[in-house]
Amino acid sequence: GAVVSQHPSWVICKSGTSVKIECRSLDFQATTMFWYRQFPKQSLMLMATSNEGSKATYEQGVEKDKFLINHASLTLSTLTVTSAHPEDSSFYICSANRGRVNQPQHFGDGTRLSIL
Amino acid sequence: GQQLNQSPQSMFIQEGEDVSMNCTSSSIFNTWLWYKQDPGEGPVLLIALYKAGELTSNGRLTAQFGITRKDSFLNISASIPSDVGIYFCAGHATSGTYKYIFGTGTRLKVLA
Repeated sequence: GAVVSQHPSWVICKSGTSVKIECRSLDFQATTMFWYRQFPKQSLMLMATSNEGSKATYEQGVEKDKFLINHASLTLSTLTVTSAHPEDSSFYICSANRGRVNQPQHFGDGTRLSIL
Repeated sequence: GQQLNQSPQSMFIQEGEDVSMNCTSSSIFNTWLWYKQDPGEGPVLLIALYKAGELTSNGRLTAQFGITRKDSFLNISASIPSDVGIYFCAGHATSGTYKYIFGTGTRLKVLA
């Protein structure tokens, strides 16, 4: 069964709205979670590493003030797309690691974000 | 960001045929993963490889960790229509970080 839950699965909103996406590890504690963005027919691009109890680590070119990440507990990380615009429309996917650094990441089902 | 090269980029095959795809890197990895992604969903882990030369199977899927540690291979035997999707490899290289680098993906279409 699923080990990572992502919510919502689909969002449509107006330009200028802020959107929050949740990522939960269901049966394990995840000190580290990841947020990816995926454009149609492309691979996953890592946006940031979410660290429980500390600031997220953003990849080069990702705007920290645009994509706010909060990892307030060992089972929940949130990504907030602030003042979203049409160019922010994409498929956002989170993942979590169950244990040691080289253990596989388990992914949520993704959130389809459409900004009108 | 950095990505791994996957080949082929896409492939059409007949049901029942075997499929082979590979993933290459310019640097050494200590872990290789293979995922399958269906449309509109997140990737699902298929196989994890942790040692050079390791050969691991999961049903009709077999993956190998290349001896050079710079590549990995995935084979699917006797393909069926539900094998359609995008297959991604992912490599872990840097100790002390949980980050994986993902491949460009191989899009598989199976003709019944």
